[in-house]
This record gives sequence, C-alpha cells and structure tokens, in this order.
Amino acid sequence: AQSVTQLDSHVSVSEGTPVLLRCNYSSSYSPSLFWYVQHPNKGLQLLLKYTSAATLVKGINGFEAEFKKSETSFHLTKPSAHMSDAAEYFCVVSDRGGSYIPTFGRGTSLIVHP
Amino acid sequence: EAQVTQNPRYLITVTGKKLTVTCSQNMNHEYMSWYRQDPGLGLRQIYYSMNVEVTDKGDVPEGYKVSRKEKRNFPLILESPSPNQTSLYFCASSLNSGTYEQYFGPGTRLTVT
Repeated sequence: AQSVTQLDSHVSVSEGTPVLLRCNYSSSYSPSLFWYVQHPNKGLQLLLKYTSAATLVKGINGFEAEFKKSETSFHLTKPSAHMSDAAEYFCVVSDRGGSYIPTFGRGTSLIVHP
Repeated sequence: EAQVTQNPRYLITVTGKKLTVTCSQNMNHEYMSWYRQDPGLGLRQIYYSMNVEVTDKGDVPEGYKVSRKEKRNFPLILESPSPNQTSLYFCASSLNSGTYEQYFGPGTRLTVT
C-alpha cells in the first residue's frame, strides 16, 4: 500500500535562507506526488505535482521538488525563504495500488524568522 | 470562478444533535472527498466519491455518512455527533482521483459539546 512520511513536523528558517522540507514515500507502482500548502485559517492549495514527466518539478512561489526514485524521496525546496512562506505543508502520494486515492503526510510546519 | 464551497464555516453543537455540512463544487469534477484535520495527525480521509451514487469509506468513516445524488454536491452527515468529532473539516474535489489536483473548500470548524 502507498504511504508517505514527512520527516520533520516543524522546520524553522530565517528569512532569506534556503528551505528544505523532506518527504519520503512508499509505492509499488509509478506514483503521483503532490505538495500542498495551508496558510493559517485557510484551505489547502496545490504547490506542485509530479506525474511521471520531468523529475524536477517547479511550482508556485519559487518552490520546486525533485522526484528521486532510488531514494523514494520528493523533497520540497526554495532558495530563499520569505515571511509569507510560513505555513503548513503537506506531501501527498497516490498510485494505482491504492486505487489512486490520495494519502496525506502529517504535515510540516514552516516557521520563518525575520 | 472555480471553487468548492462549504457551509457552515463554523458550527457549535451538542452531543447527539444531527447535523449536515454541505459541500458544493462548480467544476464538474467527478471525484469528491471529505477530510478531517486534527493537530499532529494531518488530514485524514473520511469518505470519498468517485462519481454520482458511488461512495466509499476512507480511513476514519465511523460516525459519518455521505451521499452523492448530484455531481456537484457531497454533504457530510453526522447522525449523532460526539465530542471526539470536534475537528476542522475540509471538502475537496478533483477531475478524478489520484493524478489530478484537488481543490479544497475553506473548511468547517465543528465543536461538539
């Protein structure tokens, strides 16, 4: 069965420094992978998705993620954090083994210090 | 504007009083889903629907019911709410399951006393 693990529940960075949010997945098939962002008191919004095209995926607001099959990882990065990036981030996997029903990670809270 | 709407946004109720949270999407999506979000647990799926009249249990279906009589609507029903159902609830829809982006509603914060 598919599963996803977000390795950090909280990540704290200073404004202007790089961001790395880690996600490992488990899938017996070719997975689709997503990152969603949830700002305080808001719904979730798609940041980016991987669906077996290019392994380096660019998303909104300067975020990108790289699909690494050998490491079963899909880490989210951004070169320079902005105060507005402070939010909860969710990694999501789906594959045909799970009937394409998405499985969410538990979330990583990104804290950005001035 | 493409959107998923939920009502009500906030609800305080008492144990045992039946309630319905409505969800509607205007994108002609086939797949709809309900999640609950609790601190430290992320989003957990309650029920999902692949299309009209097709619904199935997610990870935490106990105490909830759903129906999908029309493509655009997917109400969540709590027949006899209990305090452990106090949570933040999200409805989502996508073109179909899996490889497509999910669009989320703004959330419904439910408190059961």
